[in-house]
Amino acid sequence: TQLLEQSPQFLSIQEGENLTVYCNSSSVFSSLQWYRQEPGEGPVLLVTVVTGGEVKKLKRLTFQFGDARKDSSLHITAAQPGDTGLYLCAANDYKLSFGAGTTVTVRA
Amino acid sequence: GAVVSQHPSRVICKSGTSVKIECRSLDFQATTMFWYRQFPKQSLMLMATSNEGSKATYEQGVEKDKFLINHASLTLSTLTVTSAHPEDSSFYICSARDHSGSGTEAFFGQGTRLTVV
Repeated sequence: TQLLEQSPQFLSIQEGENLTVYCNSSSVFSSLQWYRQEPGEGPVLLVTVVTGGEVKKLKRLTFQFGDARKDSSLHITAAQPGDTGLYLCAANDYKLSFGAGTTVTVRA
Repeated sequence: GAVVSQHPSRVICKSGTSVKIECRSLDFQATTMFWYRQFPKQSLMLMATSNEGSKATYEQGVEKDKFLINHASLTLSTLTVTSAHPEDSSFYICSARDHSGSGTEAFFGQGTRLTVV
């Protein structure tokens, strides 16, 4: 199982600000996924990145996969209170293993 | 996306009793299922991986005799917490995918909040 390091652990920002969450590993990912989870619910898949250097956009969310496929980032532009949640990166190899998660709070 | 149904969503049990949690794939055949445990404000900790018809593979530190996993069919996996104690109280989540290879999307159940009193 690959060890995924996620940072920061907690992030609290004002509505309208930008934020970035990072996911790193010493190993190479075959593919990586980002999820968002709200309290009391299961995680919801946001994106899967597969190719080194890949950039995917989902409305105000931008996902990058490092060239070496060892790291990834999630950037949210003009955050809104509805973006509040636990953001998780996951290495989707034979096992689906998660990073420690980043709790994002967007204040109105 | 595909639907994974987890039941019950909440359960309260007395210390020493056993609790069974079901995870069903409703519109696809789940070759592989995963069981996770999650504490408040923490990430999902993988407990075990199961493939239909074979024994589950448990992660290091997870007691297989305490957390019994059965994946008897391609649409159903169960997790039984045996002789539950208050420290077993947690949020348990299952996930399923229809292919055993890497990169295939996994779909999550809604989770089960277990409280042992």
